[in-house]
Amino acid sequence: SQQGEEDPQALSIQEGENATMNCSYKTSINNLQWYRQNSGRGLVHLILIRSNEREKHSGRLRVTLDTSKKSSSLLITASRAADTASYFCATHLKGAQKLVFGQGTRLTINP
Amino acid sequence: DAGVIQSPRHEVTEMGQEVTLRCKPISGHNSLFWYRQTMMRGLELLIYFNNNVPIDDSGMPEDRFSAKMPNASFSTLKIQPSEPRDSAVYFCASRRDKDNEQFFGPGTRLTVL
Repeated sequence: SQQGEEDPQALSIQEGENATMNCSYKTSINNLQWYRQNSGRGLVHLILIRSNEREKHSGRLRVTLDTSKKSSSLLITASRAADTASYFCATHLKGAQKLVFGQGTRLTINP
Repeated sequence: DAGVIQSPRHEVTEMGQEVTLRCKPISGHNSLFWYRQTMMRGLELLIYFNNNVPIDDSGMPEDRFSAKMPNASFSTLKIQPSEPRDSAVYFCASRRDKDNEQFFGPGTRLTVL
C-alpha cells in the first residue's frame, strides 16, 4: 500500500480562500516533502520539513508535521488561480535514498 | 541550467516495438531516478542510480524493462517488447546527494497501441 496517502483526493475552492491538504504515512521518516504538478508537467519541489520539525513556512505555504500521528498538512493561504495543480506529499524513509510519493490531491481554484 | 532534459516528449508506438527513453540529469547531480505515472497507480519509482550505479531496481515491473546510466550525464530506460499497459508518463529526476530535493524533467508521454 502507499506510504503516503493524501486527503482529500480533490479539492475545489474559490480564489482567495485557504486550501488545506493532508498526508498520512506509515513508517519512520527522515523528512517529508511536498511537490506540485501542473497539468502535463513534471513535479516541482515546494517545501521540506524534517522529522524533528513541527511547522515550516514558505511564502503562502505552511506545512505541519505530527510524527506521533504520522501525518502532515499543507496549507496554502489566499489561494490564486495559478495554484490550480496536483499536490503530492513524498516521504524520505529512514535508511533509504528514495522518496515514496502519495497519490496526490487535485486542487482547483475557481476565479 | 536547463534542468533535467528528457526525450522524446511524446512517443507513440505499436505493441511489440522497442522503446527507448532518454534523460540528461542536471550537471553535478549524483542521483538519478526513473518514475512512471498513471491514473491508476499514481507515481511509481522504477529504479534509481547513485554515481551511475543502479541502487534499487525493485520497482522495475518485469524483465521487459531495463535502465542504464553509462555516464553521469546520460541515462536510458528501455522497454522491449512494449505492451499497451506500458502506456504512461515516464519521468526522470535528479538530485545532489547533499540535498533532499529532487528535480523532475518534463516527462515522456508513452502510448503503446
